[in-house]
Amino acid sequence: SQQGEEDPQALSIQEGENATMNCSYKTSINNLQWYRQNSGRGLVHLILIRSNEREKHSGRLRVTLDTSKKSSSLLITASRAADTASYFCATDPPQGGSEKLVFGKGTKLTVNP
Amino acid sequence: DGGITQSPKYLFRKEGQNVTLSCEQNLNHDAMYWYRQDPGQGLRLIYYSQIVNDFQKGDIAEGYSVSREKKESFPLTVTSAQKNPTAFYLCASSARDRSSYEQYFGPGTRLTVT
Repeated sequence: SQQGEEDPQALSIQEGENATMNCSYKTSINNLQWYRQNSGRGLVHLILIRSNEREKHSGRLRVTLDTSKKSSSLLITASRAADTASYFCATDPPQGGSEKLVFGKGTKLTVNP
Repeated sequence: DGGITQSPKYLFRKEGQNVTLSCEQNLNHDAMYWYRQDPGQGLRLIYYSQIVNDFQKGDIAEGYSVSREKKESFPLTVTSAQKNPTAFYLCASSARDRSSYEQYFGPGTRLTVT
């Protein structure tokens, strides 16, 4: 079953603009992770935020987590054409343990040069 | 160069044939996973293994089988019982010591069954 639901399903922006993607989930979590997937490739881990954290930064990435709303957002600032990819959130339900991440369907981001 | 390798990148099979997808890692990770990804969809867990000689079914294990005889290797067999085997298959691994929850993914194998 898929717990995370990303929104929007697709996003198209111009280079230099910021991109914001949202993830909502249904049950309580230990951690929430964001992954990136280039077309036809494997996923690459971007950032993890723990349930007791509210915001985390990594380079041009900013992730927020609101456990009361069961939602997270990923902000990519000053986007580049190379950021074009699909972005997935993955949750770590307490009953499943970190061995069983549950992935959403992803947001497909297109950054136009 | 540490990482996960999957081979082959593309695989074509006739309906009714079993096929085995390879996954090897040199990250010294205890846990390994197989996911299936269909177009425009997220990842669905097929099987996972937390330790050698042990594995558990994921959400969509029917029609698939795995083995974990070595720490480095976690091959997936897609059997003829799998009703709709054409998909993109991803293998991943992770450490179990809770120092990191991150999963490391291979490049994937695209299986086409006709």
